[in-house]
Amino acid sequence: KNQVEQSPQSLIILEGKNCTLQCNYTVSPFSNLRWYKQDTGRGPVSLTIMTFSENTKSNGRYTATLDADTKQSSLHITASQLSDSASYICVVSARFVGGNTPLVFGKGTRLSVIA
Amino acid sequence: NAGVTQTPKFRVLKTGQSMTLLCAQDMNHEYMYWYRQDPGMGLRLIHYSVGEGTTAKGEVPDGYNVSRLKKQNFLLGLESAAPSQTSVYFCASSYSLSLNTEAFFGQGTRLTVV
Repeated sequence: KNQVEQSPQSLIILEGKNCTLQCNYTVSPFSNLRWYKQDTGRGPVSLTIMTFSENTKSNGRYTATLDADTKQSSLHITASQLSDSASYICVVSARFVGGNTPLVFGKGTRLSVIA
Repeated sequence: NAGVTQTPKFRVLKTGQSMTLLCAQDMNHEYMYWYRQDPGMGLRLIHYSVGEGTTAKGEVPDGYNVSRLKKQNFLLGLESAAPSQTSVYFCASSYSLSLNTEAFFGQGTRLTVV
């Protein structure tokens, strides 16, 4: 079964500190991996998208890594800000075959940045 | 640029009532999706559409119906609402299902069934 597991479930850090969120997946055949940020009461917004051949991608203070061999990804947030408080969702896409679910969502990591 | 717009944003229904959630996108995307998000769970796909006039079942389709009569609109219907359908519903759209295409989400509809 295609699954995406994220850890930790929740995280509290001080403003200005760095943090790393983890994502393990079993989705096959793999197409791409995305990280989304979801603010409370809002829809998810994309941070990065990586395909099989990419192992790192940055978007400002967000850097995502991908190890397609071990099926692991991480999202590193540098110099955290209060506005980084949100849920971060790892989403893996399988190559569309017949009725397969096109996107598989993790449950998210709830990040709280405190002053 | 409106992107993906969902209507309504909030709704309370009584068990057995029916309603339709509207999703509209102005990006000329072929693919549209309806997800539900429940506490402690990832977004789960209800139904999706790969083009005007076509729909397909997702992971949790029971109790829902959809229609894609126009390319820009994707409707989610609940014929007889149940408390188990209390959730936050998100619509999304994308140019395609794979590669590096972006999926854009609406702001969500919070539905409570009492």
